[in-house]
Amino acid sequence: EAGVTQFPSHSVIEKGQTVTLRCDPISGHDNLYWYRRVMGKEIKFLLHFVKESKQDESGMPNNRFLAERTGGTYSTLKVQPAELEDSGVYFCASSAQGAKNIQYFGAGTRLSVL
Amino acid sequence: QKEVEQNSGPLSVPEGAIASLNCTYSDRVSQSFFWYRQYSGKSPELIMSIYSNGDKEDGRFTAQLNKASQYVSLLIRDSQPSDSATYLCAVGGAGGTSYGKLTFGQGTILTVHP
Repeated sequence: EAGVTQFPSHSVIEKGQTVTLRCDPISGHDNLYWYRRVMGKEIKFLLHFVKESKQDESGMPNNRFLAERTGGTYSTLKVQPAELEDSGVYFCASSAQGAKNIQYFGAGTRLSVL
Repeated sequence: QKEVEQNSGPLSVPEGAIASLNCTYSDRVSQSFFWYRQYSGKSPELIMSIYSNGDKEDGRFTAQLNKASQYVSLLIRDSQPSDSATYLCAVGGAGGTSYGKLTFGQGTILTVHP
């Protein structure tokens, strides 16, 4: 069984550009999460989808970030326009419904904004 | 005060020794607790989950939870060089719409030397 897959693994963009990160959860997992780790800090929660609905988006930093999960399968996280402070590693995780919050993580996308 | 606190280390132990990793959390109503292991550049890998006070053992790993003291720990017996990694303590959301949110500590770097 494939794990959580994230694409790209690394993205380098200039300030003001747009970047879209993609996450493919484990097949059949209704719950999908986005997290971010900026340099020197802990991993922080961004948002949680249940199927295609946003359950909790309390961690989204500002309106430059847009997450979607059309059809309840894969998800995208778009940053537009990117700022220097958006640099970090963006993790996606997924969990099955009723699985006591057992979350499986992808390897992350390392975003560098220059 | 941080919501989840860990000693950042590094913690260095000799091969075959017991490694003890500690974590405290601030939200008294938290109900789910997790330990993840992360090798450099890889995805966080869930190694233990614990929901009730007391000890939970899985192979060489033992998780301990004390909700009254808001303390969770991870013991690694017979430590091996392959256990060298960053260990992340994570606390699950208390409920409502935030049940899926994991709050992480900064992680403890463990080095097991031969």
